[in-house]
Amino acid sequence: EVQLVESGGGLVQPGRSLRLSCTSSGFTFGDYAVSWLRQAPGKGLEWVGFIRSKRYGGTTEYAASVKGRFTISRDDSKSIAYLQMNSLKIEDTAVYYCTRDSVSDYWGQGTLLTVSS
Amino acid sequence: DIVMTQTPLSLSVTPGQPASISCKSSQSLLYSNGKTYLYWYLQKPGQSPQLLIYEISSRFSGVPDRFSGSGSGTDFTLEISRVEAEDVGVYYCMQGTHLPYTFGQGTKLEIK
Repeated sequence: EVQLVESGGGLVQPGRSLRLSCTSSGFTFGDYAVSWLRQAPGKGLEWVGFIRSKRYGGTTEYAASVKGRFTISRDDSKSIAYLQMNSLKIEDTAVYYCTRDSVSDYWGQGTLLTVSS
Repeated sequence: DIVMTQTPLSLSVTPGQPASISCKSSQSLLYSNGKTYLYWYLQKPGQSPQLLIYEISSRFSGVPDRFSGSGSGTDFTLEISRVEAEDVGVYYCMQGTHLPYTFGQGTKLEIK
């Protein structure tokens, strides 16, 4: 069974940093891209970015709203993807989802990040 | 960025009746490889979104055949042939052809 589990969310002050993790199982993690998406409270879905598999260079793409502040990485030996978030803003408050592949065919349960002073 | 426009934003459907959601993109979603990366997701109340349809019309594993997708270029449609109570939630279209990927605003389906 394909599973993705996000962790690391919480309450953080504006300007601070936080790292989210996405632990995966049930598939060959290294064969797939991993995407991060978010959903602000009561709002729709927003694509944050993704990291390609090593086969496709392991390169990353980001939404303009997070480019330069967020970094996606992966550790294929542990089947974990990360979302490093720096210089956090109040508007980054959201539930963050990791998903399998750029298609987002499987989703985690999400982890809530609240940015507030 | 590609703007995805869904209509209607909400609909109320009697069980057993059909439902249709439109999604229009501001540019063609046809990729250079001949594929069109248009997806449909359903977010049921209190749950994570789930993939229903990929590449316009292909149903994802386990998705009932009452769900179907169609369209091309900039105009796409999700149809539910006979709505069931378990279909309630918010439906989103997403384009994965052009970076950054973008979503429609969502369409909330309720049961009458």
